[in-house]
Amino acid sequence: ELKVEQNPLFLSMQEGKNYTIYCNYSTTSDRLYWYRQDPGKSLESLFVLLSNGAVKQEGRLMASLDTKARLSTLHITAAVHDLSATYFCAVDANFGNEKLTFGTGTRLTIIP
Amino acid sequence: GAGVSQTPSNKVTEKGKYVELRCDPISGHTALYWYRQSLGQGPEFLIYFQGTGAADDSGLPNDRFFAVRPEGSVSTLKIQRTERGDSAVYLCASSSFDRGLYNEQFFGPGTRLTVL
Repeated sequence: ELKVEQNPLFLSMQEGKNYTIYCNYSTTSDRLYWYRQDPGKSLESLFVLLSNGAVKQEGRLMASLDTKARLSTLHITAAVHDLSATYFCAVDANFGNEKLTFGTGTRLTIIP
Repeated sequence: GAGVSQTPSNKVTEKGKYVELRCDPISGHTALYWYRQSLGQGPEFLIYFQGTGAADDSGLPNDRFFAVRPEGSVSTLKIQRTERGDSAVYLCASSSFDRGLYNEQFFGPGTRLTVL
């Protein structure tokens, strides 16, 4: 059974600081997704990572994928309040099965 | 263009009742997914349609849950004899599935189901 773990589960950080969220998964996959969810809202797609060594950046967020280590990271640079949300990583098992298995989520709070 | 839509946005029902939740995918998307998200958790897969057929229903928790997609577009998730443990946000997603390429799923706003 595919398991996806994120850490930390909760993160409070000050504006202007840098931090990294980690996503570990338990089986071979080369398709990993990051989503953002605001309170009471649905999921917004942030990044799709498709191969080992993939790196994508959008604004203050950068995501990377290491398929050998079964690890993805979401790095936040110089955080601003607008980034406060819950972030989920999700893995596609890539065996012709299209369902996503989500991590537990990281609730990020940016403190002014 | 229009995204994935879901109705109703909120549904409150009594234990033992029957409910239907509707999902309208993005036009042209052949793949449709249902997930369930409990408070403080990540979404959990329920069922996946490719066209009209259920390609994977392994996430449905029991036989009280059933979903259809008769014309390959709109889908309805049906829950019989609802229980308090069914209370959650039910999310629908769709994608322009293309085997061999990635499978970016676009999510709807969800239906919050509360069983009293």
